Amino acid sequence: EDKVVQSPLSLVVHEGDTVTLNCSYEVTNFRSLLWYKQEKKAPTFLFMLTSSGIEKKSGRLSSILDKKELFSILNITATQTGDSAIYLCAVGGSNYKLTFGKGTLLTVNP
Amino acid sequence: NAGVTQTPKFQVLKTGQSMTLQCAQDMNHNSMYWYRQDPGMGLRLIYYSASEGTTDKGEVPNGYNVSRLNKREFSLRLESAAPSQTSVYFCASNRGYQETQYFGPGTRLLVL
Repeated sequence: EDKVVQSPLSLVVHEGDTVTLNCSYEVTNFRSLLWYKQEKKAPTFLFMLTSSGIEKKSGRLSSILDKKELFSILNITATQTGDSAIYLCAVGGSNYKLTFGKGTLLTVNP
Repeated sequence: NAGVTQTPKFQVLKTGQSMTLQCAQDMNHNSMYWYRQDPGMGLRLIYYSASEGTTDKGEVPNGYNVSRLNKREFSLRLESAAPSQTSVYFCASNRGYQETQYFGPGTRLLVL
């Protein structure tokens, strides 16, 4: 059974801090790892990492994939209150399904 | 483009009642998915449809049925609602295998 574990489950920081969110996985025939941000409603897509794209960056957010050690990290630098959200990690295996972790609740205080 | 839309936004049911959650996408996606999200549990896949005309069980299919009505629409039916089905339900879609999934706004369901 595919498994995704995120840590920490929750995190409180001050504006301007840098945070690192972790995602480890066990999946049959890994094909992709995705990061989503969930505020009040639907998860919104951040990054997809695959064998051909193990590092992604967008503004203050960046992510890397370590296929050997089976984990990914999501870094957010110079955090803002608008970064407060649940961050979800999901992994795709040998079929159409994504397996999600439980998420990390990030709270950024002013 | 509206993306992925879901109706209703919120619903209260009594135990034993039935209802259908509707999902539609206008992105010409081949695959569609139904998830439920409970506190501390993350997103769990209920059913999915890899392409029009096919459906498959996910991680937590018991108590649910689905219909892929056409390429755009994928509905989730609760035949006899139970309090354990109180949750937020998300529909998602993508072009297919190895593609990013895009989510609808969710339906909050309360079963009393």
